[in-house]
Amino acid sequence: EDQVTQSPEALRLQEGESSSLNCSYTVSGLRGLFWYRQDPGKGPEFLFTLYSAGEEKEKERLKATLTKKESFLHITAPKPEDSATYLCAVWSGGYQKVTFGTGTKLQVIP
Amino acid sequence: DAGVIQSPRHEVTEMGQEVTLRCKPISGHDYLFWYRQTMMRGLELLIYFNNNVPIDDSGMPEDRFSAKMPNASFSTLKIQPSEPRDSAVYFCASSFGRGGAETQYFGPGTRLLVL
Repeated sequence: EDQVTQSPEALRLQEGESSSLNCSYTVSGLRGLFWYRQDPGKGPEFLFTLYSAGEEKEKERLKATLTKKESFLHITAPKPEDSATYLCAVWSGGYQKVTFGTGTKLQVIP
Repeated sequence: DAGVIQSPRHEVTEMGQEVTLRCKPISGHDYLFWYRQTMMRGLELLIYFNNNVPIDDSGMPEDRFSAKMPNASFSTLKIQPSEPRDSAVYFCASSFGRGGAETQYFGPGTRLLVL
C-alpha cells in the first residue's frame, strides 16, 4: 500500500523567511508526484507534477524537487498570501488513482 | 469554464437520514473522483469513474455509501443511513486522462455534519 508522509504538520514563517516542506513516500513504483495548495474552505489547487528523480519545477516563489524517496517544496521569501495547506500526492498504479498526504499547514506572518 | 460544481455546499442532517451529494465535472473530462477529507485521515479517495463506469470503489468505507454516474455531466454520492462519523468535507474532482494521472481539478467541496 502506498504511503505518503508530510512534515512538518504546521509551519509558521516570518515574511521573507525561506524554508522547505517535506514529502516522504513509499510506493511500489512511482509514476508521478503531485503538489497541491489548499486554501481554507476550498478544494485543492494543482501546483506541480514531478515524474522522475532529479526533476525540478518552479512557480513564482515555489520550487519542487524530487528524489527516489522524497520531495521537497522550497518556498523562497514567502509572502502572507502563500499561507495555505500544501498537499503532496503520489501516483503509482494504473489509471488515475493517487494517494494524498495529510498536508503541511503554512502560515506566513507579515 | 465554471470548474467542478458541487452541491450542496453545506449539509447538516441527523443520524439515520439519507444524504445525497452532487457533482458536475468539467465538460470534456472523462475521469471523476470522489474524496473525503478529515483532519485525522486527510484526503481519501472513495471511488472514481472513467467514462461513467466505476473503476475502483475500494475506498468506499462500507455499504452505506454508494455512488453513481448516470451521464458524463453528473454524479452523486449517497450515504444511507448517515452516521456522525461520516461528518467530513466531501470533494469531487475531474480530469482528462491521456494515459497518466493527469491534473485533477477539484470542486469547492460539501461540508457534511451528521448530528
